[in-house]
Amino acid sequence: GENVEQHPSTLSVQEGDSAVIKCTYSDSASNYFPWYKQELGKRPQLIIDIRSNVGEKKDQRIAVTLNKTAKHFSLHITETQPEDSAVYFCAASATGTASKLTFGTGTRLQVTL
Amino acid sequence: GAVVSQHPSWVICKSGTSVKIECRSLDFQATTMFWYRQFPKQSLMLMATSNEGSKATYEQGVEKDKFLINHASLTLSTLTVTSAHPEDSSFYICSARDTGAGNEKLFFGSGTQLSVL
Repeated sequence: GENVEQHPSTLSVQEGDSAVIKCTYSDSASNYFPWYKQELGKRPQLIIDIRSNVGEKKDQRIAVTLNKTAKHFSLHITETQPEDSAVYFCAASATGTASKLTFGTGTRLQVTL
Repeated sequence: GAVVSQHPSWVICKSGTSVKIECRSLDFQATTMFWYRQFPKQSLMLMATSNEGSKATYEQGVEKDKFLINHASLTLSTLTVTSAHPEDSSFYICSARDTGAGNEKLFFGSGTQLSVL
């Protein structure tokens, strides 16, 4: 089955700096890659997603890149703010949808003042 | 955005009892819902896919007789942990797909912390 690895497990950046979280996947059939943000004590929320027919997607300060050949995808957050502090999970699915997602192990991002 | 309601948010029970967790999509219909288990500081592990009107699909290693799933309507799925034991203590979280208007989004419930004594 699919295996998704996520790095780093923790990341501390200063406010205004950029943060990058990387994930690799094992199943070459995976074609849907969402990213979720989970604030302390709250439910995960989708922040951005990308499908395998696209190499990059951007939404304001958040961008995701996908390298199908290398089977890795990354989340980029620019101009970080304290409210970006949370745990971020990447995920992958071979269904083209949010069904049967395999999640990464999570990255705890801390944005310091 | 769409809302998924999950209850209870926490439950403490004695070993050997059964616990039912409800997951409701409040403003959309969800033919498919998902149940996950999350250990402290770890990732979400998909346990099963709940299909409205049919049997749930369980992931490898998940006991279907232990974790009973019922998806009797388009807005409600339930997970029953039968004969719970301390090793079943965990954070259980559901999600539902909203495929309306051509979107493909997954919305999560707020989770249920189960502690089995």
